[in-house]
Amino acid sequence: EVQLVESGGGLVQPGGSLRLSCAASGFTVRSNYMNWVRQAPGKGLEWVSIIYSGGSTYYAASVKGRFTISRANSKNTLHLQMNSLRAEDTAVYYCARATPNDDNGDPGPFDIWGQGTMVTVSS
Amino acid sequence: DIQMTQSPSSLSASVGDRVTITCRASQSISTYLNWYQQKPGKAPKLLIYAASSLQSGVPSSFSGSGSGTDFTLTISSLQPEDFATYYCQQSYSTPPTFGQGTKLEI
Repeated sequence: EVQLVESGGGLVQPGGSLRLSCAASGFTVRSNYMNWVRQAPGKGLEWVSIIYSGGSTYYAASVKGRFTISRANSKNTLHLQMNSLRAEDTAVYYCARATPNDDNGDPGPFDIWGQGTMVTVSS
Repeated sequence: DIQMTQSPSSLSASVGDRVTITCRASQSISTYLNWYQQKPGKAPKLLIYAASSLQSGVPSSFSGSGSGTDFTLTISSLQPEDFATYYCQQSYSTPPTFGQGTKLEI
């Protein structure tokens, strides 16, 4: 079965750090466009970061310099290291696979999502 | 970044109704437009990709259209399980961006 399972969320103080994990099954993380998308309580969806199969990474301006996306190929797992956390980072964090666009092969729609893990930044 | 604007933000409808949700991009995105359904406490689910292609397993009551800057999601006959929040998303350029959502209520 193709699925993603996140873990690592929790309560952290402002300025603290947290590492999220996303275990994949049914497909290979290193061969796909893997993303983190977050959703603040009662709000919409916000893309956070992507790692390409070749290893290139990109970040939303709101997290650049504080968050780092990576993958552990041997464990077929995606990670998000979050440092210098702020109250506005409070959200459910989803990992999601982006399937390639049919015509140009660039990252396309998010076809597989995990169940999400809650991160709360508060003193 | 490309801004995505959905209308309406909320919509009241009844079982059996035909409903249409609109999504507008701040610049042309060809047909790199995707639609998702999200129910409370659940992850989003891909419904439509490339503006009009139905994701596997999604009922044919859902359809999408449009190109350039203007897109629509249509549900031809609402079922009880269709009451949810719907998001559009552009995959034309990085960063991918989402509309603010349309909450479909009874």
